[in-house]
Amino acid sequence: DAKTTQPPSMDCAEGRAANLPCNHSTISGNEYVYWYRQIHSQGPQYIIHGLKNNETNEMASLIITEDRKSSTLILPHATLRDTAVYYCSTGTASKLTFGTGTRLQVTL
Amino acid sequence: EAGVAQSPRYKIIEKRQSVAFWCNPISGHATLYWYQQILGQGPKLLIQFQNNGVVDDSQLPKDRFSAERLKGVDSTLKIQPAKLEDSAVYLCASSLEGRGAYNEQFFGPGTRLTVL
Repeated sequence: DAKTTQPPSMDCAEGRAANLPCNHSTISGNEYVYWYRQIHSQGPQYIIHGLKNNETNEMASLIITEDRKSSTLILPHATLRDTAVYYCSTGTASKLTFGTGTRLQVTL
Repeated sequence: EAGVAQSPRYKIIEKRQSVAFWCNPISGHATLYWYQQILGQGPKLLIQFQNNGVVDDSQLPKDRFSAERLKGVDSTLKIQPAKLEDSAVYLCASSLEGRGAYNEQFFGPGTRLTVL
């Protein structure tokens, strides 16, 4: 069973920041939070991961709450190409357990 | 750098037939994964290999599914006999190392299987 909870869908206007929440209240101390996205008809693509600290890379920022029970993925300037299903997961090493994800629709 | 290759991209079979999928991971990646993704759901891990050994096959329906990774490189996933509920996209992924530190998984495009 998936250990994360995400809203099923979200909309975002192009050029605006997209903030995708994830609840992972049962996360263990040594488990990472990681985010992947899946564009239609493609395999999932890695976005970012973190353990305790906030992380930023060229694609996105990851904000993890101090108690590590939730996190937010931020796409700072969403484009139409960011329309996809975004999966939040927790786990150790590189073992992924996907939930049903959030379908992000970026609109003009 | 070449990505994860999978073939075929699409396959249509009738129930009770057998089918096989092939995966070629990124060169140098020790860990290989097979996932099943049913329409509207996230991918579900079927089996994980470390080189040519199985690390996790707890969710593989072993009465009908089998997988092998000869010589620790390419891998095949077989279903025999197929059922209607096996209709899904089968994704292959690879990563540098599956234990210890976190490593990004790279996914192939998947094989879409339709069982009639």
